[in-house]
Amino acid sequence: SYVLTQPPSVSVAPGKTARITCGGNNIGSKSVHWYHQKPGQAPIVVIYYGSDRPSDIPERFSGSNSGNTATLTISRVEAGDEGDFYCQVWDSSSDHWVFGGGTKLTVL
Amino acid sequence: EAQLVETGGGLIQPGGSLRLSCAASGFSVSLNYMSWVRQAPGKGLEWVSIIYSGGDTYYADSVKGRFTISRDGSRNTLKLQMNSLRADDTAVYYCARSESMADAFDVWGQGTTVAVSS
Repeated sequence: SYVLTQPPSVSVAPGKTARITCGGNNIGSKSVHWYHQKPGQAPIVVIYYGSDRPSDIPERFSGSNSGNTATLTISRVEAGDEGDFYCQVWDSSSDHWVFGGGTKLTVL
Repeated sequence: EAQLVETGGGLIQPGGSLRLSCAASGFSVSLNYMSWVRQAPGKGLEWVSIIYSGGDTYYADSVKGRFTISRDGSRNTLKLQMNSLRADDTAVYYCARSESMADAFDVWGQGTTVAVSS
């Protein structure tokens, strides 16, 4: 089965840039989605199809995907960006969705 | 506005059964791809099952043969029948919508909690 690997945690100072990676075999050929989950809340999509952003998500959020790594970049990080971030891909070989293990973003 | 509301969670003994429901508003569950996703306490998201708009269903290996996903178009509701429940099925269960097979989950419910314990 397809496996997505994320760092368990990322810490960043306010105003700086956070980068959260998602590793998978040839993930660059897949459609990657990113979700943000705050404690006690359902996840919300922040990036879809690798680099597209929903209209209600700030431009500070961006995504890229190439080779074996997809990356979520959050510029000018704010305290409200804290929470857990998950990457997700559709594994067409098994008709299964796959989530990464999640990355906890801490704003110092 | 598209919304999802899950119900049916609770405390159940190991080996027992439970049925979750997910009521949709603002869109048709029959015309979309509907999934169940769960999150064990303190853990990450785990995809559980999906039903395609055409009716095909797929399951994570961890629940295959024990869980059944279905929908009721007349009530615009998604369901998850869970049998032979185990302690490791304890989680918050979310229903979610994607508009096509590989689209992101753009609508999520608030979740319903299932606790399997004796």
